[in-house]
Amino acid sequence: GQQVMQIPQYQHVQEGEDFTTYCNSSTTLSNIQWYKQRPGGHPVFLIQLVKSGEVKKQKRLTFQFGEAKKNSSLHITATQTTDVGTYFCAGRNTGTASKLTFGTGTRLQVTL
Amino acid sequence: DVKVTQSSRYLVKRTGEKVFLECVQDMDHENMFWYRQDPGLGLRLIYFSYDVKMKEKGDIPEGYSVSREKKERFSLILESASTNQTSMYLCASSLGGTGGYEQYFGPGTRLTVT
Repeated sequence: GQQVMQIPQYQHVQEGEDFTTYCNSSTTLSNIQWYKQRPGGHPVFLIQLVKSGEVKKQKRLTFQFGEAKKNSSLHITATQTTDVGTYFCAGRNTGTASKLTFGTGTRLQVTL
Repeated sequence: DVKVTQSSRYLVKRTGEKVFLECVQDMDHENMFWYRQDPGLGLRLIYFSYDVKMKEKGDIPEGYSVSREKKERFSLILESASTNQTSMYLCASSLGGTGGYEQYFGPGTRLTVT
């Protein structure tokens, strides 16, 4: 079945440093979503990417979808302590409109 | 705001017990999902439902069943709980169709099977 891997599994940065998490799918995706889960919380939707090569920005967060639609990345510029949490990508295969396959997640720790 | 609620935040059950986890959403969403979350494994889909009385197996359905008698309610059943089912269980809902809509999650139920 489809697998979605994320790297790194964990990253610890100092506030102000940049952070990137990478997501790789074993199959071509129709679209990809990103979620954030704060410690003790539940996943919350951040964004969806649909087009090959698409880039979207949300303030300090930049999301990219690869040209082959098999990989994606989330980059955070100048991290803040509010960025702490686990970031998940979730891919959707063509023909499985409702079903998402979640990545393994990247846990981000930010210290002052 | 979409609200997804789960019947319990914490649950402790004994091996062999039948366990019911309830999920209710208030936004008239067609799709509902059950995931389990384990460290290092991300969220894994157990079952999902795209309509009342309709269900499809996810990636790890073994040992679980589901019920959706009403649109707003989706239940996960552990017929005979085992220790390897100790986990965080998350329910989610979304609009249906082919649009690829975002999923809204409940707060989760942390189940411990002893």
